[in-house]
Amino acid sequence: NAGVMQNPRHLVRRRGQEARLRCSPMKGHSHVYWYRQLPEEGLKFMVYLQKENIIDESGMPKERFSAEFPKEGPSILRIQQVVRGDSAAYFCASSPPGQGAVKNTEAFFGQGTRLTVV
Amino acid sequence: AQSVSQHNHHVILSEAASLELGCNYSYGGTVNLFWYVQYPGQHLQLLLKYFSGDPLVKGIKGFEAEFIKSKFSFNLRKPSVQWSDTAEYFCAVRHPGRLYFGRGTQLTVWP
Repeated sequence: NAGVMQNPRHLVRRRGQEARLRCSPMKGHSHVYWYRQLPEEGLKFMVYLQKENIIDESGMPKERFSAEFPKEGPSILRIQQVVRGDSAAYFCASSPPGQGAVKNTEAFFGQGTRLTVV
Repeated sequence: AQSVSQHNHHVILSEAASLELGCNYSYGGTVNLFWYVQYPGQHLQLLLKYFSGDPLVKGIKGFEAEFIKSKFSFNLRKPSVQWSDTAEYFCAVRHPGRLYFGRGTQLTVWP
């Protein structure tokens, strides 16, 4: 069972371009989380998705950022018109459905995508 | 909203010293609790987790953590650290489905 796969590992974009980050969850996992990590700032929650549904996007910037987790294929985090401040490591985690509201499951992390905006 | 506090941002120890990293969270209901470790340049790996039952949980590499419900705490401990434990440690709380992370504690162990 492969782990959580993120690609690309490194992504360089010029200001104004679009960045697409992909996350393939572990087999059998229907929940995906996206986090942004900046030096000295820890992991900032961005969005929590289930297949075809956005459960919680309270951590997503209101503009330029979007996420999806289609029925087939990986989850995509999309950043339009990137700016220098978007440079960061973006991590995806996946977990199985679990039971109840608290789930009682653990989340497994991918290797991350390091986005650099030049 | 849930919040997770890690009070130590940077801890420096010599090998064989004992370690305790503090973690407090703000929600009083049922939660899942985790400690993750991130070695330099790598992704987060699970050290240990608490869902229910015995509040003293043992994880990998000799780490353990104690859940104290009355104090909303889940502190990480290791009796004797090694140079290879140098990494960043994150406490995380899940309620209800979303995972909240603390800011992280950078542990540096000198040989």
